[in-house]
Amino acid sequence: GESVGLHLPTLSVQEGDNSIINCAYSNSASDYFIWYKQESGKGPQFIIDIRSNMDKRQGQRVTVLLNKTVKHLSLQIAATQPGDSAVYFCAENDRDSSYKLIFGSGTRLLVRP
Amino acid sequence: DAGVIQSPRHEVTEMGQEVTLRCKPISGHNSLFWYRQTMMRGLELLIYFNNNVPIDDSGMPEDRFSAKMPNASFSTLKIQPSEPRDSAVYFCASSFFKPGDTQYFGPGTRLTVL
Repeated sequence: GESVGLHLPTLSVQEGDNSIINCAYSNSASDYFIWYKQESGKGPQFIIDIRSNMDKRQGQRVTVLLNKTVKHLSLQIAATQPGDSAVYFCAENDRDSSYKLIFGSGTRLLVRP
Repeated sequence: DAGVIQSPRHEVTEMGQEVTLRCKPISGHNSLFWYRQTMMRGLELLIYFNNNVPIDDSGMPEDRFSAKMPNASFSTLKIQPSEPRDSAVYFCASSFFKPGDTQYFGPGTRLTVL
């Protein structure tokens, strides 16, 4: 699954290094954010989420950071593995229509062995 | 849990034919979403159901597209007649209805209209 346009931002990292994927969101009223991972030929898979009353949340090898001041979200992956190669999407919840997720354009992560 | 189930996984058809995509949401979820993903436009929300009722179909491209949810465990997205520009991957997702609930996606149906 590809994302918007012919050019998808790509991050290339060495196996074992840490990865940081960034996302800028647009709606200051958004109060819930999700990171999805999409591998080739598969649907987006939930990784981690964060609500606007937090600025950091940790999962297994992943950390999400939220900076509401500059409307910025990041996903940190520790000790990146070949299986982490995928397209990563951030999504924000539109509070005005609480069911609707607004997806970012995606970043492709390539892990070099 | 089997997750969201979609069928078929791949569909190749000729322009003008009717196409029906199917989705079984996660048991217990009361919200269902149909998305379309293309290279140029990314993920687009087509329609959203809550408790089997269509709530927002503003993303449906045109009258050729229709969606139904006859019960809590089944939904269809139909394109009639299909056109080459409908070629895309169509995803179904489900969630509990509560503000900001996570949506869980199915594997998608890759549609090619020749």
